[in-house]
Amino acid sequence: DGGITQSPKYLFRKEGQNVTLSCEQNLNHDAMYWYRQDPGQGLRLIYYSQIVNDFQKGDIAEGYSVSREKKESFPLTVTSAQKNPTAFYLCASSTLRPDTQYFGPGTRLTVL
Amino acid sequence: KNEVEQSPQNLTAQEGEFITINCSYSVGISALHWLQQHPGGGIVSLFMLSSGKKKHGRLIATINIQEKHSSLHITASHPRDSAVYICADLRETSGSRLTFGEGTQLTVNP
Repeated sequence: DGGITQSPKYLFRKEGQNVTLSCEQNLNHDAMYWYRQDPGQGLRLIYYSQIVNDFQKGDIAEGYSVSREKKESFPLTVTSAQKNPTAFYLCASSTLRPDTQYFGPGTRLTVL
Repeated sequence: KNEVEQSPQNLTAQEGEFITINCSYSVGISALHWLQQHPGGGIVSLFMLSSGKKKHGRLIATINIQEKHSSLHITASHPRDSAVYICADLRETSGSRLTFGEGTQLTVNP
């Protein structure tokens, strides 16, 4: 089945540690996105990529890094520089034209 | 101030009621999306529309481009419709990026 997967579903880390969230899609989509969701707030764009080996900062990129070495994969690293990393992280993918975005199930990150 | 505004923020209804959720945006768009987020967090796309009206089952989405306004209607609401409904606009100048509203929490009681 085609889809987009994220792992793990829940992640706990100690303060000061970097952590990498996985996102994989087999929809053959060119564009991939990372969003952050906090309680009572809308989704905010962290990074997005429209082609392999290229990506752009979104609205809240500070403290995060990404890579796009393969079309199917767009991992997000939450670095120790991110001041408030506890949140729900969602990955999505789409074609490049105005189109539906398909979302993964999300990863809930808690930093202790 | 969010450039995509939804109302109401919270909505409680009795099973069977007709529900309307509103979305206003401020700039020219290519399309307007309605999304549904269930309590587990997963998000599914309900509609993408750039004009007129779309219907899928008990869900109807409308958009008025001149007024920069869209509505999502649910007919004969059911407790399984309880979720957060999110609108998001795709701007003419932003490629494939979406700008999201804060969501409307809908609770339908039996």
